Amino acid sequence: KQEVTQIPAALSVPEGENLVLNCSFTDSAIYNLQWFRQDPGKGLTSLLLIQSSQREQTSGRLNASLDKSSGRSTLYIAASQPGDSATYLCAVRNEGQNFVFGPGTRLSVLP
Amino acid sequence: GAVVSQHPSRVICKSGTSVKIECRSLDFQATTMFWYRQFPKQSLMLMATSNEGSKATYEQGVEKDKFLINHASLTLSTLTVTSAHPEDSSFYICSATKAITDTQYFGPGTRLTVL
Repeated sequence: KQEVTQIPAALSVPEGENLVLNCSFTDSAIYNLQWFRQDPGKGLTSLLLIQSSQREQTSGRLNASLDKSSGRSTLYIAASQPGDSATYLCAVRNEGQNFVFGPGTRLSVLP
Repeated sequence: GAVVSQHPSRVICKSGTSVKIECRSLDFQATTMFWYRQFPKQSLMLMATSNEGSKATYEQGVEKDKFLINHASLTLSTLTVTSAHPEDSSFYICSATKAITDTQYFGPGTRLTVL
């Protein structure tokens, strides 16, 4: 059974810092992995999607990497801003097409 | 706790028919439910936000008359794809939350194939 964990559970940083969020999964037979942002009271916003054959994806200040063999993905946020404050979720899509989400990392970027 | 189910997990239908997908919170009351859609090789996209007892709020570009959402009780929301066409074939996933600011719990998804 696929299990997804995220570390840290919560993170508070001053504005301008670069930071890394971690996601681990137990079954490497994944279809893809996604990172999402969740703002309070809102639905998920998709950030980056990495197919199982890819190693990384970049969008603006965000970079996500995938190491399928070790069951890890990282989300790197450069030059963090207060507007980046949110909960960040990673989710793996198994070969059977179902989603397994991590518990999320709650990020606070202080002005 | 906090389990969300979806039914059916897979559905195949003919073009022009309507398909109903159910999303249930099994062990909690969900004041808000979200519906998402994901096309092959694309990311998950939010379609609409549904609050119990009120009309759903649709995201830009999502046709409310095409995707009917009903959230009649605190444990059940339904998404009806009306007059389905092949381009509606997608993976639909719902999530539920106990309160608007609470964690979302996701269902396993429904694969819709329209022939």
